[in-house]
Amino acid sequence: DTAVSQTPKYLVTQMGNDKSIKCEQNLGHDTMYWYKQDSKKFLKIMFSYNNKELIINETVPNRFSPKSPDKAHLNLHINSLELGDSAVYFCASSHRLAGTDTQYFGPGTRLTVL
Amino acid sequence: DQQVKQNSPSLSVQEGRISILNCDYTNSMFDYFLWYKKYPAEGPTFLISISSIKDKNEDGRFTVFLNKSAKHLSLHIVPSQPGDSAVYFCAATPGTYSGGGADGLTFGKGTHLIIQP
Repeated sequence: DTAVSQTPKYLVTQMGNDKSIKCEQNLGHDTMYWYKQDSKKFLKIMFSYNNKELIINETVPNRFSPKSPDKAHLNLHINSLELGDSAVYFCASSHRLAGTDTQYFGPGTRLTVL
Repeated sequence: DQQVKQNSPSLSVQEGRISILNCDYTNSMFDYFLWYKKYPAEGPTFLISISSIKDKNEDGRFTVFLNKSAKHLSLHIVPSQPGDSAVYFCAATPGTYSGGGADGLTFGKGTHLIIQP
């Protein structure tokens, strides 16, 4: 009964490849997010998405794109992977439109670009 | 430009004693604050939160204090237990009721809490 799940947990790939990370939440939340934790351990917001708006952190390259097939899923697509994309990516969700800002996180996906 | 700062990278506390983790913020628009606990290779786990209309919130062994004028919050854990050893992140957001929140949480860099037996 995992609340927020991500697949895969580990992803190793070559520079230039395109990859996706999947995220699912079974909490009935309306808003989902993607965060990146870099080598300095900072957790930074990349995207915030519900069915009405997509908010993109301006520092995120346009090689990154979120795709939401339905309210329970927000997948992260990354094109033309670069070495600097190596990081841990966390998905999160909240019931924001209901006025709750508490976010619940998935277990993370460690991406290594060789 | 760090808007949320946790100035202690690590903290060592004896089991049974009180652990106090500190957090400072600079953005006056923040009005909802959260603490997360993180074990290695896992995602952050929500611990406790506080709205800016309060100065204290308590949940079992965990208490969060907010001093808005000083832009400072702290997390108290008492008594500290071995399972509390983890990295603790402070996070903040303008909050939905303030018209913000959609741009996600702003995190501090974390404090590694070590509980010694």
